[in-house]
Amino acid sequence: IAGITQAPTSQILAAGRRMTLRCTQDMRHNAMYWYRQDLGLGLRLIHYSNTAGTTGKGEVPDGYSVSRANTDDFPLTLASAVPSQTSVYFCASSVGSRAVDEQFFGPGTRLTVL
Amino acid sequence: LAKTTQPISMDSYEGQEVNITCSHNNIATNDYITWYQQFPSQGPRFIIQGYKTKVTNEVASLFIPADRKSSTLSLPRVSLSDTAVYYCLVGDIRTYNTDKLIFGTGTRLQVFP
Repeated sequence: IAGITQAPTSQILAAGRRMTLRCTQDMRHNAMYWYRQDLGLGLRLIHYSNTAGTTGKGEVPDGYSVSRANTDDFPLTLASAVPSQTSVYFCASSVGSRAVDEQFFGPGTRLTVL
Repeated sequence: LAKTTQPISMDSYEGQEVNITCSHNNIATNDYITWYQQFPSQGPRFIIQGYKTKVTNEVASLFIPADRKSSTLSLPRVSLSDTAVYYCLVGDIRTYNTDKLIFGTGTRLQVFP
């Protein structure tokens, strides 16, 4: 693994189902983030983690949960998916958690909720 | 939190220099300006960051006037592969507040042959 990976690449999901998007980084970065990207709305922060064991809410956290049990992994869970959660999801990481720290992004997961 | 304003889209031709200006009128003393680039179907990637005057790297130059209320990303001699969305962000260097970092909708640059 080099950098940051996400799985699955894409997924079609029935409304009401539970789904976990996976994100793994091998750069030993302290901070990790989940964004969603929708046409016309740009990138919006869902949840973040400044360090293993801590998480925080971003701009659009409702309907999503995260955990950070270790440095490398930061899964995003949709407990009961709804069609408005159809989006492209990007995971990112940075060495530090200052706003100026460079963020490295994964390739994204395209999620469709029907 | 400093809000940024940038053009929604720009068109250019191969070989031209492209300048994308971002306004951040209420930028604070400890804020830095960062630009990211996002190619279609990929995540954004960091391209340049600065505080004042001029910063240059192998990809772009960043010009920041003395009052820091705006910044200009300059891409020399663009090629088709520079077609992307460019995001201007303003963030505080001091505190752990990445949750306040706002990407917005960016500027969609289209380069034509």
